[in-house]
Amino acid sequence: AQKVTQAQTEISVVEKEDVTLDCVYETRDTTYYLFWYKQPPSGELVFLIRRNSFDEQNEISGRYSWNFQKSTSSFNFTITASQVVDSAVYFCALSEAPAAGNKLTFGGGTRVLVKP
Amino acid sequence: EAGVAQSPRYKIIEKRQSVAFWCNPISGHATLYWYQQILGQGPKLLIQFQNNGVVDDSQLPKDRFSAERLKGVDSTLKIQPAKLEDSAVYLCASSLRGLNNSPLHFGNGTRLTVT
Repeated sequence: AQKVTQAQTEISVVEKEDVTLDCVYETRDTTYYLFWYKQPPSGELVFLIRRNSFDEQNEISGRYSWNFQKSTSSFNFTITASQVVDSAVYFCALSEAPAAGNKLTFGGGTRVLVKP
Repeated sequence: EAGVAQSPRYKIIEKRQSVAFWCNPISGHATLYWYQQILGQGPKLLIQFQNNGVVDDSQLPKDRFSAERLKGVDSTLKIQPAKLEDSAVYLCASSLRGLNNSPLHFGNGTRLTVT
């Protein structure tokens, strides 16, 4: 069965500091997708990034970057130069083989608090 | 484009009462999902529709929960009778296709409190 673990329940940083969120996943499939979503206080889950299991190239998108390592089943996410507006709960999620549709299994979330 | 619309935003009911939630997905999105998010946890899938057909309802407590998407657009999720442990945020999401390369777009959710 698939499982996503976010060991950090809450992280507090001061504005402009970098913050890295850890995510470890379990799956038996060789084809899968990994996601990061942001949930601000308004409650809406906002899609941030997606990575498929065949692409381990790490990228940077604005202030966001991610580190995908299949060898350790980890998909970590970094916010560079954090801002107060980054305060939210961040969820890592896993979607398995295409036959399973696009169902997401979420981790428990990490609350990020950015202080001015 | 307009996002996923959900109503009501908040609902408070007593246990054993019934309640219904409504969702209007993004126009053209064939796949619709209902997730339950208990406070402090990640969302959990309840049911997935492809057009008006059910793809997966394996985690839906069918003795009390039901959902429908009659015309392949709007959807309703019903709980009857509600229990205290049903207190949660119910999130509706839609995607263009039920494929892994199609991100889910979520609504703001309905926060249900059962007393």
